Amino acid sequence: DIQMTQSPSSLSASVGDRVTITCRASQTIVSYLNWYQRKPGTAPRLLIYAASILQSGVPSRFSGSGSGTEFTLTISNLQPEDSATYFCQQAYSTALTFGGGTKVE
Amino acid sequence: EVHLEESGGGLVKPGGSLRLSCVASGFTFSYYSMTWVRQAPGKRLEWVATITTGSRNIYMADSLKGRFTVSRDSVKVYLQMNSLRGDDTAVYYCARDFGGGYQGAFDVWGQGTLVNVSS
Repeated sequence: DIQMTQSPSSLSASVGDRVTITCRASQTIVSYLNWYQRKPGTAPRLLIYAASILQSGVPSRFSGSGSGTEFTLTISNLQPEDSATYFCQQAYSTALTFGGGTKVE
Repeated sequence: EVHLEESGGGLVKPGGSLRLSCVASGFTFSYYSMTWVRQAPGKRLEWVATITTGSRNIYMADSLKGRFTVSRDSVKVYLQMNSLRGDDTAVYYCARDFGGGYQGAFDVWGQGTLVNVSS
C-alpha cells in the first residue's frame, strides 16, 4: 500500500497566520491527492481534491499544491474556525490510504 | 439535505458477525460510488471497501478479503463483517464518492457507527 506521511503532526498558530501542512507519498501518486478537515464530533469535510482543486463552498484561503510525492495544504489568513485536524488521502491506488493528520490549534 | 447515516454497530464477541447499513438521503444514491472507511482508536483512517454504481466493481482491502463483503441496493450500502477480531474494533464510516470524473474523493460522510469486538 502507498504510505502517506504528514508533517507536522500538530501546530499552533495565530489568527491571520499562514499555515502550511505537508503530505508525502511513498511513491508517486501524480495529483491524486485529497485534503480533508475534521473537527471533533463531526464528519470529515472535503477541502481540496486532485491536489489543488478547491471543493465547492470551501473558503479561498485554503489552497493545495504539489504533484508526484510531495503535497502541501496552505491556509492563508488563519481563522478561529480553522481549528481542526487536517488529513490527506491518496486516490491513485484503489487501496486508498490516509495520512495521520495534522492538528491545527 | 444530503445525508448518510450508518447503523448496525455494537458490541460483538470475537468470531461473531455484524452487518452495517448506511442509508442515503437527499441525493440520487444510484449515481454514486460508495466507500466504507474505519478508524480504530488512536489510529488513522483506514479504507475498507468501495462499491461502484450498479455494484459493477467492488474493491476490498486485501487484509479484509474473505471476512468482509460490501453490497448495495437502491438506497443503502451494506458492510457484512464475519469472523470479527479485536483489531476490527473501530468506528465505521460510509462516504460518498463525489464523482465528477474524479474518483476517490469523498464529499459526504456519515457520523459513523462503533463496532466493538470484545469478549
